[in-house]
Amino acid sequence: EIVLTQSPATLSLSPGERATLSCRASQTVRNYLAWYQHKPGQAPRLLIYDVSYRATGIPARFSGSGSGTDFTLTISSLEPEDFAIYYCQHRSSWPYSFGQGTKVEIK
Amino acid sequence: EVQLVESGGGLVQPGRSLRLSCVASGFTFDDYGMHWVRLTPGKGLEWVAAITWSSRTIAYADSVKGRFTVSRDNAKNSVYLQMNSLTAEDMALYYCARDRGFGQLLGAFDIWGQGTMVTVSS
Repeated sequence: EIVLTQSPATLSLSPGERATLSCRASQTVRNYLAWYQHKPGQAPRLLIYDVSYRATGIPARFSGSGSGTDFTLTISSLEPEDFAIYYCQHRSSWPYSFGQGTKVEIK
Repeated sequence: EVQLVESGGGLVQPGRSLRLSCVASGFTFDDYGMHWVRLTPGKGLEWVAAITWSSRTIAYADSVKGRFTVSRDNAKNSVYLQMNSLTAEDMALYYCARDRGFGQLLGAFDIWGQGTMVTVSS
């Protein structure tokens, strides 16, 4: 089973700042990595799939990069609605898995 | 409106069974694979199971393999999760989610329900 490790666990930033979230895989997941945003009481939302493709309706301030085992989600300028928990997830092989999440909180 | 609605959660004793249901609307259900994903306070999101549109491919997380069974009824626009031998580790909010792939599994989940809570306690 592929293990995804996200860092940091918590990111404390102010609106307007840039957020950089990391996801590292225990073995290559090729380009099969997605990112989700999750707010309490809501359903998770797909942001990015296959490393760098934004899902429908996702603003351009969200971008993904990386390959193999190291991936990054960047939020170029945080909006108030972006404070949430972010998860990476791979589809490289069965079983799929998620990282443990990074909480982006208001500083 | 594209929508997934889960049901069937509740309080169950350790060792007992529960069957979750998820009804889809607003899209052609049998064009898409479906997944179950659960959320726990300690672990965050955990992928549980997947089923292709035809039910030909089914996969499970190691933590539920042999105890959980995913199935679907395309005539009823529904996907199910039969959960047996439940333990405290299975206590979670269970989401069903649509695979974004049209006619194939692409392994990213673009539509989610609101979830149904499963509590395992004596």
